[in-house]
Amino acid sequence: KQEVTQIPAALSVPEGENLVLNCSFTDSAIYNLQWFRQDPGKGLTSLLLIQSSQREQTSGRLNASLDKSSGRSTLYIAASQPGDSATYLCAVIDPSYQLIWGAGTKLIIKP
Amino acid sequence: NAGVTQTPKFQVLKTGQSMTLQCAQDMNHEYMSWYRQDPGMGLRLIHYSVGAGITDQGEVPNGYNVSRSTTEDFPLRLLSAAPSQTSVYFCASRPVKSRVHQPQHFGDGTRLSIL
Repeated sequence: KQEVTQIPAALSVPEGENLVLNCSFTDSAIYNLQWFRQDPGKGLTSLLLIQSSQREQTSGRLNASLDKSSGRSTLYIAASQPGDSATYLCAVIDPSYQLIWGAGTKLIIKP
Repeated sequence: NAGVTQTPKFQVLKTGQSMTLQCAQDMNHEYMSWYRQDPGMGLRLIHYSVGAGITDQGEVPNGYNVSRSTTEDFPLRLLSAAPSQTSVYFCASRPVKSRVHQPQHFGDGTRLSIL
């Protein structure tokens, strides 16, 4: 059974720092991996989607990498801002086309 | 574009009561799903639908019913509410189940408390 883990559960860093969020999964048989952002009391917003044949995707200050063989993905946030404060979730799509989710990393950027 | 709309945003129920959580999308998406989100856990799939008239169970379907009479609407029914169903419920949609590289769109959630 696919399991997705995100460590740490919470992270607090000063504004301006570059940071990395981690996501690991136990089964490399995935179609893609997605990173989402969740703001308090809100739904989830898709940030980046990496197909299984890709190694990385970039959007603005965000860069996500995927290493299927090791079962790992990272989300790199450059020059962090207070507006980046949110919970970041990763999820993989398994061969049954369903999303399997991590529990998320709560990120706080201190001004 | 409204996207995915969930109602109500908040609800408090007593144990044993029933209710329906509403979900509507205006993007003509075939695939719709319901998740619950509990503290410290990832989202878990309750039920999903690949089109009008077709529904299937997810990881945690017990205590919930769904129907899909139209492409736009996918209501979730709690048959007899239990405290273990206290959670945040999210509805999501995407074009088709097999188009796995299309990101899902989420509603803002329904926060449900069962006393």
